[in-house]
Amino acid sequence: GAGVSQSPSNKVTEKGKDVELRCDPISGHTALYWYRQSLGQGLEFLIYFQGNSAPDKSGLPSDRFSAERTGGSVSTLTIQRTQQEDSAVYLCASSAGTGASGIQYFGAGTRLSVL
Amino acid sequence: AQSVTQLGSHVSVSEGALVLLRCNYSSSVPPYLFWYVQYPNQGLQLLLKYTSAATLVKGINGFEAEFKKSETSFHLTKPSAHMSDAAEYFCAVSDRAAGNKLTFGGGTRVLVKP
Repeated sequence: GAGVSQSPSNKVTEKGKDVELRCDPISGHTALYWYRQSLGQGLEFLIYFQGNSAPDKSGLPSDRFSAERTGGSVSTLTIQRTQQEDSAVYLCASSAGTGASGIQYFGAGTRLSVL
Repeated sequence: AQSVTQLGSHVSVSEGALVLLRCNYSSSVPPYLFWYVQYPNQGLQLLLKYTSAATLVKGINGFEAEFKKSETSFHLTKPSAHMSDAAEYFCAVSDRAAGNKLTFGGGTRVLVKP
């Protein structure tokens, strides 16, 4: 596809359930990022993948959150035992460059609602 | 740690009037700075970026921003607002010491009145 694709676009789950959010980056982009957008916290960084390097997990809020990137392409963000405070829009972005000036292209996000 | 402050969470302008969105950053090294726009139910779209080439940066849709190191500011302007400019705008700084992760300001929602 032409842009970053995220699925599902909306996810409603019950407290305590696990969820998986998927991101398909732009083809050829080596860098992939996850951010979370919530009313209380604004936009915050979660995790960053660059090529085959170990991911930067410094933004993950708890050990209930994990992410993987298979084959240097598709990424899955997993939230275990969801809590109501996990309700937010989860945004994925990808970038072609390795330098800090590289433009990040964002997907439309997954809106997660935890009941 | 880097931080970004956007003054004013909501701005209301009349169609045809100047749009001015304020952004101040805190960074220990010369930063890379970005403005993104978010329309309802969409992801973020890049308006423009500053990477130390020129202090006045022109972006899409008639927006521009000026980097002022002495004021640690990167304010976004557009001379004449259009109804289609109604959206939320985010200023961000790139962490050069830790890959490319972006630190965002709190966002400014722009309302354009006819």
